[in-house]
Amino acid sequence: KAGVTQTPRYLIKTRGQQVTLSCSPISGHRSVSWYQQTPGQGLQFLFEYFSETQRNKGNFPGRFSGRQFSNSRSEMNVSTLELGDSALYLCASSSSGTPAENTEAFFGQGTRLTVV
Amino acid sequence: AQKVTQAQTEISVVEKEDVTLDCVYETRDTTYYLFWYKQPPSGELVFLIRRNSFDEQNEISGRYSWNFQKSTSSFNFTITASQVVDSAVYFCALSEERDDKIIFGKGTRLHILP
Repeated sequence: KAGVTQTPRYLIKTRGQQVTLSCSPISGHRSVSWYQQTPGQGLQFLFEYFSETQRNKGNFPGRFSGRQFSNSRSEMNVSTLELGDSALYLCASSSSGTPAENTEAFFGQGTRLTVV
Repeated sequence: AQKVTQAQTEISVVEKEDVTLDCVYETRDTTYYLFWYKQPPSGELVFLIRRNSFDEQNEISGRYSWNFQKSTSSFNFTITASQVVDSAVYFCALSEERDDKIIFGKGTRLHILP
């Protein structure tokens, strides 16, 4: 069974540009969550999608957005990049999306975004 | 509000020593879930354990053990007879039943010295 796949693994962008990151969850999983990891703030929840609907959102500005497709694949978009957006972006997939029903969330290896 | 505190930023021990990673959490919910994840240098988060708030039994899995105490809001993780391969960043995390997001602690970087 393939794991969670995130592409690309590494990305370098310039301030002001926009970027799209992709996450393919484990087959059969319908929930995809995104997290940002930085040395200063640690791991922070961005948003969660379930069956193409955003169910939960963290405290990030509107420049951060996402979507989920009918095959459960998800994309995350960051517009007008800032230097502080440099981070490891992790995606997690789980089967049904609620902690009560899930035994665990499976994480991808992440996309390391560097903004210069 | 949800909060997870891992007071130990970095720990170094010599191989074969036992080491305990502390985790204290805050939540107003009666139903919640606690997790430990390991993050090796490769970056992905590796699931270690999930505990629900109604199950205070300690758990042992090989060299790993977890001590869940609701009275002190703690969920500590012990590695017995540590090995160099245990070197990683370990995250304690919390999720409430009414919410799907996982709140992570800042992590503890563990160095196992040969």
